Amino acid sequence: AQSVSQHNHHVILSEAASLELGCNYSYGGTVNLFWYVQYPGQHLQLLLKYFSGDPLVKGIKGFEAEFIKSKFSFNLRKPSVQWSDTAEYFCAVNWGGSTLGRLYFGRGTQLTVWP
Amino acid sequence: AAGVIQSPRHLIKEKRETATLKCYPIPRHDTVYWYQQGPGQDPQFLISFYEKMQSDKGSIPDRFSAQQFSDYHSELNMSSLELGDSALYFCASSSRRGSSYNEQFFGPGTRLTVL
Repeated sequence: AQSVSQHNHHVILSEAASLELGCNYSYGGTVNLFWYVQYPGQHLQLLLKYFSGDPLVKGIKGFEAEFIKSKFSFNLRKPSVQWSDTAEYFCAVNWGGSTLGRLYFGRGTQLTVWP
Repeated sequence: AAGVIQSPRHLIKEKRETATLKCYPIPRHDTVYWYQQGPGQDPQFLISFYEKMQSDKGSIPDRFSAQQFSDYHSELNMSSLELGDSALYFCASSSRRGSSYNEQFFGPGTRLTVL
């Protein structure tokens, strides 16, 4: 069955620290990959997405992610976090074909950045 | 830019009551998705509609039904509410046209509390 795993449930960093959040999905095939962010009290917002092409994807607010097909992974990175990055981060996967766009989400990672 | 609108934002119901959640997609978006996010859990796909027809069905209880209307807005009807239905219900919309195909834009959610 399709599933998405996020390795860290809660990450605490100081400002200017580097960030890497892990995301793995259960099996291959054609996948579309997403990272969403949910700021406190707000809705899910798209950070970045991968459909095809260059496996290193750049998103908004200095975030990037790398798709490694052989590892079924799509890890999120940011070289220097800010206090305003405090939020919950969700990795999501859509498997192509019959799933018709439904997203499978990971459990989310709560990122807390101390000023 | 216009976003996905959901109403109501908060809803309190008692067990065995019914509830109707509404979702207004971004203009010219033809696909609507519903997700349920329980406390501390990842969003779970419920159902989706494309051009007013059900396109995919996930873990939606039989007590729930949904439809998409001619103006593309969607309603999620929930009957015989149970305590376990308390959750945040997200609606998302997307368009099958253009370069943003399969990119889902999320609404703010309806927080349903069942007492």
